[in-house]
Amino acid sequence: DAGITQSPRHKVTETGTPVTLRCHQTENHRYMYWYRQDPGHGLRLIHYSYGVKDTDKGEVSDGYSVSRSKTEDFLLTLESATSSQTSVYFCAIGESSGNTIYFGEGSWLTVV
Amino acid sequence: AQSVTQPDIHITVSEGASLELRCNYSYGATPYLFWYVQSPGQGLQLLLKYFSGDTLVQGIKGFEAEFKRSQSSFNLRKPSVHWSDAAEYFCAVGARAAGNKLTFGGGTRVLVKP
Repeated sequence: DAGITQSPRHKVTETGTPVTLRCHQTENHRYMYWYRQDPGHGLRLIHYSYGVKDTDKGEVSDGYSVSRSKTEDFLLTLESATSSQTSVYFCAIGESSGNTIYFGEGSWLTVV
Repeated sequence: AQSVTQPDIHITVSEGASLELRCNYSYGATPYLFWYVQSPGQGLQLLLKYFSGDTLVQGIKGFEAEFKRSQSSFNLRKPSVHWSDAAEYFCAVGARAAGNKLTFGGGTRVLVKP
């Protein structure tokens, strides 16, 4: 299994509070991604990174920000959580060759 | 923009029977194609991938997929399913030119009857 650790794995938070999800990799891969999974939608890309301090938006980036200050860590922040952001969040990593994308175990976030 | 369609939301199959999951994609250039499997409460595990070359790709757990450019399809097959194959399956398309970003289909949930 790819060395990807997501934290926290489960979190319940209140509407309007900030939330940060962390993804840590031990593979030294260049690319890192945050996806959210919702029933009927598969996985949708929120943000991705192609290097330290290099990030870009995905298809559902509104309400989310990211940071990557080190190769191994990619943080996803919900500045002010809303109920529509209740979801399962997956971090993924990819090699420079682009051969394969590996996924973490997911973080279950509930916004009440 | 790339897109992926998995027409079947649910499929029920008897144990020992064959399984075929459909995937159609839209992408302007030659795509990278993937199939992932997800068990309940788990992350996604890569079953197989296609980049180029032989259009019939073998994967783990006895799965295979065939890339058909003329039909923009990448269907997943297994000759004989086991109860442990019950899971959700996702097809995805990506490309290096797109920063290796993957676009996923909505998934197909497979139920296996004894």
